[in-house]
Amino acid sequence: KAGVTQTPRYLIKTRGQQVTLSCSPISGHRSVSWYQQTPGQGLQFLFEYFSETQRNKGNFPGRFSGRQFSNSRSEMNVSTLELGDSALYLCASSSQGQSFTDTQYFGPGTRLTVL
Amino acid sequence: DAKTTQPTSMDCAEGRAANLPCNHSTISGNEYVYWYRQIHSQGPQYIIHGLKNNETNEMASLIITEDRKSSTLILPHATLRDTAVYYCIVSVSGGYQKVTFGTGTKLQVIP
Repeated sequence: KAGVTQTPRYLIKTRGQQVTLSCSPISGHRSVSWYQQTPGQGLQFLFEYFSETQRNKGNFPGRFSGRQFSNSRSEMNVSTLELGDSALYLCASSSQGQSFTDTQYFGPGTRLTVL
Repeated sequence: DAKTTQPTSMDCAEGRAANLPCNHSTISGNEYVYWYRQIHSQGPQYIIHGLKNNETNEMASLIITEDRKSSTLILPHATLRDTAVYYCIVSVSGGYQKVTFGTGTKLQVIP
């Protein structure tokens, strides 16, 4: 099976712009979660989608949004970018995503730099 | 979700047991203790979890104090491949999606 893929791998934007990141889960997986990882804050949960519905949401401002398509592919959007949004954005997929012990398969991440 | 406190970094000699502590003094009765690790440039990997009893699996052992305010992850025979950042997380079962992993403990296994 192909793994979780994320595009693009690297992105450079300027403050005020918006960005869209894409994640393709493992075939058959219906749950897609997004995480932000920074040196200062560590790995933080953004949101999780299951069957095209946002099922869980972390403590991030409304500038961070996402969606999931019928084929389980997911996109994450960040509007009005700030310098503090520079981070590695990880996407993870799992079969059902209902249990903490469900194995999550992480993608390689998208490194976003905001100048 | 309760917050956790972990040392920033630790060293361990290869072949020795690595003992990684975690404080979670505000843990509530229905919250589990979970451990994940992240090897450089990879996504986090689930290790083990427990509620109040000690747990063991093929990867590690988890020792939870009787008052549940702290726990220790034990890697019995550390190898170089165990070098990673280890995250201690507390959350209600099924609520993992909402937690913050924090900055974890950077474990360096030394040859």
